[in-house]
Amino acid sequence: AQTVTQSQPEMSVQEAETVTLSCTYDTSESNYYLFWYKQPPSRQMILVIRQEAYKQQNATENRFSVNFQKAAKSFSLKISDSQLGDTAMYFCAFMTPATGANSKLTFGKGITLSVRP
Amino acid sequence: KAGVTQTPRYLIKTRGQQVTLSCSPISGHRSVSWYQQTPGQGLQFLFEYFSETQRNKGNFPGRFSGRQFSNSRSEMNVSTLELGDSALYLCASSRTLLAGGYEQYFGPGTRLTVT
Repeated sequence: AQTVTQSQPEMSVQEAETVTLSCTYDTSESNYYLFWYKQPPSRQMILVIRQEAYKQQNATENRFSVNFQKAAKSFSLKISDSQLGDTAMYFCAFMTPATGANSKLTFGKGITLSVRP
Repeated sequence: KAGVTQTPRYLIKTRGQQVTLSCSPISGHRSVSWYQQTPGQGLQFLFEYFSETQRNKGNFPGRFSGRQFSNSRSEMNVSTLELGDSALYLCASSRTLLAGGYEQYFGPGTRLTVT
């Protein structure tokens, strides 16, 4: 069974600074997807970024980028130029694409990020 | 495209009652997944439907059930409600990725409170 661990329950960052959220996972699969989701206080879960395990290049989406270390099973999210709107709970999630029957996401416990003005 | 919609957004029920939640996926998406979110247990997978068939199921009791209609809309039902069923229920609509696997987009959720 796959597990996803987010060991930092809370983090705080000053507006305009950079913050890194950590995530580790455990799997015996060689091909999989990793995701970061953001859930602001309004509760709508939003997909932030996706990383395919077979790709060596780290994914980037505007101010969001990941550091994917496959051998270490580590998948951290870096948020540059933090904005007040980045305040949210962030979830790391894992999915194996092997078959349609495995289309469930396994989530970590989440990290609460607060951006200070 | 319109996003994933869930109705109702808030619900208050009494122990022992049953409840039905509805989810309409993004147009063209055929897979719908349901998750339960609680402060203690986090996000847990309930089940997934694809083309009206349950394709995957999480570790929840039989009181939790679901179905999907031919237009891909999905409902989940919880019978004999317990206090511990109080949670945010999230529905996710899935887009197939070229290399296999799915990218899931979530609805706003239904907040269920059992008293």
